[in-house]
Amino acid sequence: GAVVSQHPSWVICKSGTSVKIECRSLDFQATTMFWYRQFPKQSLMLMATSNEGSKATYEQGVEKDKFLINHASLTLSTLTVTSAHPEDSSFYICSASARESGNTIYFGEGSWLTVV
Amino acid sequence: GENVEQHPSTLSVQEGDSAVIKCTYSDSASNYFPWYKQELGKRPQLIIDIRSNVGEKKDQRIAVTLNKTAKHFSLHITETQPEDSAVYFCAANFGNEKLTFGTGTRLTIIP
Repeated sequence: GAVVSQHPSWVICKSGTSVKIECRSLDFQATTMFWYRQFPKQSLMLMATSNEGSKATYEQGVEKDKFLINHASLTLSTLTVTSAHPEDSSFYICSASARESGNTIYFGEGSWLTVV
Repeated sequence: GENVEQHPSTLSVQEGDSAVIKCTYSDSASNYFPWYKQELGKRPQLIIDIRSNVGEKKDQRIAVTLNKTAKHFSLHITETQPEDSAVYFCAANFGNEKLTFGTGTRLTIIP
């Protein structure tokens, strides 16, 4: 199947700093990518839809100024958590769909963020 | 928006028995229903999916059934094995590629 790569797989940062997470589609072009957040023992919650060449679409309750999304190319989307706080600690995971596979959705490896 | 309900939240079955997980969705326009298996700390892995033009799909020990009229779909795992233990999520698409996930089912296979 299609490959989606996410980096870093885990990161620890100090409260108040910013952290960038990258999501790449390695063998296909993704005009749309999705960013999810998953707290321990909970389901995946969609944060935003990342659209190549345009602004991201955020889900209700997600602060767009805090979670900056940039989709600069057909293979790369980035999520920047700005002014991170301990409550932002979570598992962040991206996904992308591959038209070559009938729009099947594939996930990146996920990124564990711990804010101390 | 789209709502997906999943039951049960936990399920324990004896090795070799079958496991069934059920989901209901709210958006009648949904037409894509994947199931994911997630092990602790790892990404969800697609195990099977079904589109609205079929009612059932099977892949070895795993099968999914879809009832569009009732807006529910189910995952069936037969001849369960210890490595089937994981958290399973159903999902339904909302607005083409956007997925809404169920709350998950923690499946434990008892040896």
